[in-house]
Amino acid sequence: AQSVAQPEDQVNVAEGNPLTVKCTYSVSGNPYLFWYVQYPNRGLQFLLKYITGDNLVKGSYGFEAEFNKSQTSFHLKKPSALVSDSALYFCAVRDFRSDTGRRALTFGSGTRLQVQP
Amino acid sequence: DAGVIQSPRHEVTEMGQEVTLRCKPISGHNSLFWYRQTMMRGLELLIYFNNNVPIDDSGMPEDRFSAKMPNASFSTLKIQPSEPRDSAVYFCASSLTRDRAYEQYFGPGTRLTVT
Repeated sequence: AQSVAQPEDQVNVAEGNPLTVKCTYSVSGNPYLFWYVQYPNRGLQFLLKYITGDNLVKGSYGFEAEFNKSQTSFHLKKPSALVSDSALYFCAVRDFRSDTGRRALTFGSGTRLQVQP
Repeated sequence: DAGVIQSPRHEVTEMGQEVTLRCKPISGHNSLFWYRQTMMRGLELLIYFNNNVPIDDSGMPEDRFSAKMPNASFSTLKIQPSEPRDSAVYFCASSLTRDRAYEQYFGPGTRLTVT
């Protein structure tokens, strides 16, 4: 089964510092990986995805993610954090099963990012 | 496009009452997902439709929960009878799953409180 793990419940960073939110994956076949952000009282918003190609993927709001096949990781990064980046971040992996026709996403448990002014 | 639309945004009801949550997916999307989010259990997939047909309902907690998708532009999630432990935020999401990488687009959610 496809799965992702987010080892940190919370990440604290000072405004202006670089931030990293960690995600590792376990898949059979090629991984299709995603990051989502959830602001308070809102639904999840798509940030970026990795399908193939460059290991560094750029997304919305200045975020990027680095795909590392040898470490089975897909960490989310931003060079300079903003207070407004404070939110809940979810990593996800494509969950495709040819026998059932399932085409869904499996989400991690989420990491709360707190950016202090 | 207006995005995924959910109604109501907030629902407060008494234990034992029937609750119906509604979702309108993004036009042209062929898959629809219902999720539940709580502090204790995080984000849980309840049921998933593809081309209006339920594909996976293994996440539906029990028989009190039912979901329908009568057409490509509308879905309902019903809880009958409701219980306090059903209190959560319920999200609907839609996706176009003909592509290889099918990101999902989420609605704003319905915050359900059962007293």
